[in-house]
Amino acid sequence: KQEVTQIPAALSVPEGENLVLNCSFTDSAIYNLQWFRQDPGKGLTSLLLIQSSQREQTSGRLNASLDKSSGRSTLYIAASQPGDSATYLCAVIGIKAAGNKLTFGGGTRVLVKP
Amino acid sequence: KAGVTQTPRYLIKTRGQQVTLSCSPISGHRSVSWYQQTPGQGLQFLFEYFSETQRNKGNFPGRFSGRQFSNSRSEMNVSTLELGDSALYLCASLRGSDTGELFFGEGSRLTVL
Repeated sequence: KQEVTQIPAALSVPEGENLVLNCSFTDSAIYNLQWFRQDPGKGLTSLLLIQSSQREQTSGRLNASLDKSSGRSTLYIAASQPGDSATYLCAVIGIKAAGNKLTFGGGTRVLVKP
Repeated sequence: KAGVTQTPRYLIKTRGQQVTLSCSPISGHRSVSWYQQTPGQGLQFLFEYFSETQRNKGNFPGRFSGRQFSNSRSEMNVSTLELGDSALYLCASLRGSDTGELFFGEGSRLTVL
């Protein structure tokens, strides 16, 4: 059974510092890994999707890496801003799962202090 | 381009009642999946529909059911509500049948009293 873990559960950094968010998964047989952002009481906003054949994806200040063999992904957010404060979730779609079932990590709650 | 639309956004029910939630996917998207989010359990997969057929189902009791219409809109129903059903219910859509980027709606916040 696929399990996804995100450590730490919460993170507080001063504005301008780079953020490093970790995601690990137990079964490397995945189709892809997706990073999301969730603001309080809101839905999920897709940040980056990494296909299993890719090593990384970039979008603006965001960069996500994927190491399937070790079951890890890292989301880097450069030069953090107070507006980056949110909960960040990673999720994987396993090859053994039918359809598009996402297995989520518990999330990392980020606070960027001005 | 409109995103995933969920209605209602908020609702309050009492134990024993039933509820129906609606999800309209992004235009052209044919796969719709549902998730339950609670503080204790996090995000858990409920079920997925593609072309009006349930393709996958999570580990939830039979009180949770869903369907998809020919226009890809989906509904989920929860019967005999329990206090533990209080949650944010999220819907996600995907363009095709293959795996890819999923887009979520704002969710329906259900409170059971």
